[in-house]
Amino acid sequence: EVQLVQSGAEVKKPGESLRISCKGSGYSFTSYWISWVRQMPGKGLEWMGKIDPSDSYTTSSPSFQGHVTISADKSISTAYLQWSSLKASDTAIYYCARLVGTTTDYWGQGTLVTVSS
Amino acid sequence: DIVMTQSPLSLPVTPGEPASISCRSNQSLLHRNGYTYLDWYLHKPGQPPQLLIYLRSNRASGVPDRFSGSGSGTDFTLKISRVEAEDVGVYYCMQTLQTSWTFGQGTKVEIK
Repeated sequence: EVQLVQSGAEVKKPGESLRISCKGSGYSFTSYWISWVRQMPGKGLEWMGKIDPSDSYTTSSPSFQGHVTISADKSISTAYLQWSSLKASDTAIYYCARLVGTTTDYWGQGTLVTVSS
Repeated sequence: DIVMTQSPLSLPVTPGEPASISCRSNQSLLHRNGYTYLDWYLHKPGQPPQLLIYLRSNRASGVPDRFSGSGSGTDFTLKISRVEAEDVGVYYCMQTLQTSWTFGQGTKVEIK
């Protein structure tokens, strides 16, 4: 059974660092790109970027470049979103999804990140 | 980035009646390979988004046939032939033509 399991909810302070994860199972992790999507409180979906776990090649939205890093460790079938210095505006639910071409088929359950002083 | 504009942003619906949502892009989503890179999603509270339609008009696995996608170039429509109570949520169109993908603002569908 294909599954994407994301790490649990996080509560952080502004300026802190954070890495959340998305672990794939039930399929060949390196055969499918992983996409990341953000939903800020009360707002719509925003596409953040995607990564090819086979070689860690990434493409991302200009809106997120420079502030968040997308990475993957194929040895443990896990993709990551990482911040070095969180802002309150990073408060959101983050979803990962498996891509078949440009289309998603399986999604993680979402990770709630709360950034508050 | 390609800008995606949906209308309406709110859509009260009556069960059993049809409904449609419009999505427009500021650039054509037709690739030279002949495919149109426009998908539709439904996002229900507390759940991850669910793919409904991919590449303009293809229903995703398990999606009821009351959902259909149409349109071309820059103008697209998602239609629900007969709305059911379980169809409530926020619907999004999304373009995946360019390297940087973008969603529409979302259309909230609720029962009247």
